[in-house]
Amino acid sequence: GESVGLHLPTLSVQEGDNSIINCAYSNSASDYFIWYKQESGKGPQFIIDIRSNMDKRQGQRVTVLLNKTVKHLSLQIAATQPGDSAVYFCAEATGNQAGTALIFGKGTTLSVSS
Amino acid sequence: DAGVTQSPTHLIKTRGQHVTLRCSPISGHKSVSWYQQVLGQGPQFIFQYYEKEERGRGNFPDRFSARQFPNYSSELNVNALLLGDSALYLCASSSSPGVLRPFFGQGTRLTVV
Repeated sequence: GESVGLHLPTLSVQEGDNSIINCAYSNSASDYFIWYKQESGKGPQFIIDIRSNMDKRQGQRVTVLLNKTVKHLSLQIAATQPGDSAVYFCAEATGNQAGTALIFGKGTTLSVSS
Repeated sequence: DAGVTQSPTHLIKTRGQHVTLRCSPISGHKSVSWYQQVLGQGPQFIFQYYEKEERGRGNFPDRFSARQFPNYSSELNVNALLLGDSALYLCASSSSPGVLRPFFGQGTRLTVV
């Protein structure tokens, strides 16, 4: 089916460590991917996106890697901070100017201890 | 700048009732999408509207409907509420009908009792 899955439901790291959150997608036609952060009681917050014509994109303390060969997406967070504790979702979409939908995975809960 | 705003933030309804949820997109954004997020799951797509026209519909029953107004705000309506409709309802806006960088509101927490 067309769904996005994550490898691990939870990830625990120490403050200052680098975190890697993984995501596998199944739709080879997907050409746009987004990572969201969701804190308890809030809506998803945009972190970073990447199109399928790229394999890496960097933001502030975050890097997204895309491997289309194995349909794998990852989010790397450098120097993880307690404020990074949240649920992280990857989402995929197929670009279509007529309108389309994001398909979300189940999420990975990141816990950062100080 | 104001982000996506949704109202109300919390709502409690009884089974069989009707509910209307409201969303105001980011200024300049013309596309609005609605998602349902059940506890412990990722958001699931319900509708997308652009320029007041429905551009996409997810796998939800006809009890769910939506519309977009000339000012690009949107309403999501749910009739004959079921206990299973209890969820966080999220609105996302983007500048175009394509999915490019949709930004989400804080959501409306609907509880059906």
